[in-house]
Amino acid sequence: GAVVSQHPSRVICKSGTSVKIECRSLDFQATTMFWYRQFPKQSLMLMATSNEGSKATYEQGVEKDKFLINHASLTLSTLTVTSAHPEDSSFYICSAGTRGLTTDTQYFGPGTRLTVL
Amino acid sequence: KQEVTQIPAALSVPEGENLVLNCSFTDSAIYNLQWFRQDPGKGLTSLLLIQSSQREQTSGRLNASLDKSSGRSTLYIAASQPGDSATYLCALETSGSRLTFGEGTQLTVNP
Repeated sequence: GAVVSQHPSRVICKSGTSVKIECRSLDFQATTMFWYRQFPKQSLMLMATSNEGSKATYEQGVEKDKFLINHASLTLSTLTVTSAHPEDSSFYICSAGTRGLTTDTQYFGPGTRLTVL
Repeated sequence: KQEVTQIPAALSVPEGENLVLNCSFTDSAIYNLQWFRQDPGKGLTSLLLIQSSQREQTSGRLNASLDKSSGRSTLYIAASQPGDSATYLCALETSGSRLTFGEGTQLTVNP
């Protein structure tokens, strides 16, 4: 149980185009979804937190107009990288959180490798 | 602001060795600490989660400890195997379910 999927797993696009990444919780309803970015040889950096039906909360330094997050249901969140540029090339990972009795648990997706040419 | 540091950045050991990975953090006001494994180009696999009130957790050949007062956690791997080769990340959960990650230790276990 507790499987999170991401689609696509890998995408290559031209500079200036927009790319949409989907994150789905397959067998549970997620209270919250998180989006992370990971550059080569670096750790995961939280970009934004989203709750179903409300606006996402972005971390300091993350442009909300460039990284559009839509959280339409308890099982689906999307991240759209608008007008992508080569510096946006990175590994994007989502996680879906559930609220447990003693702690909140996050389950991570397999990641999406974005390459902007 | 929470800062998480992992030492060493990379480690190479022969198969069968016991090893320790270190994680230190600056703010002890945490809910829990997790250790994750990440294989190249893949997502994260949760290995162990230690609640703020706990001192250690064990799973198979893995043992993780937590000392909030000193801001340290260790991940002990017994009898390492080539299949243990991966990057190991520690992450601390603070308010709002936010996770702050260290930069990881890249482990290579040589057959």
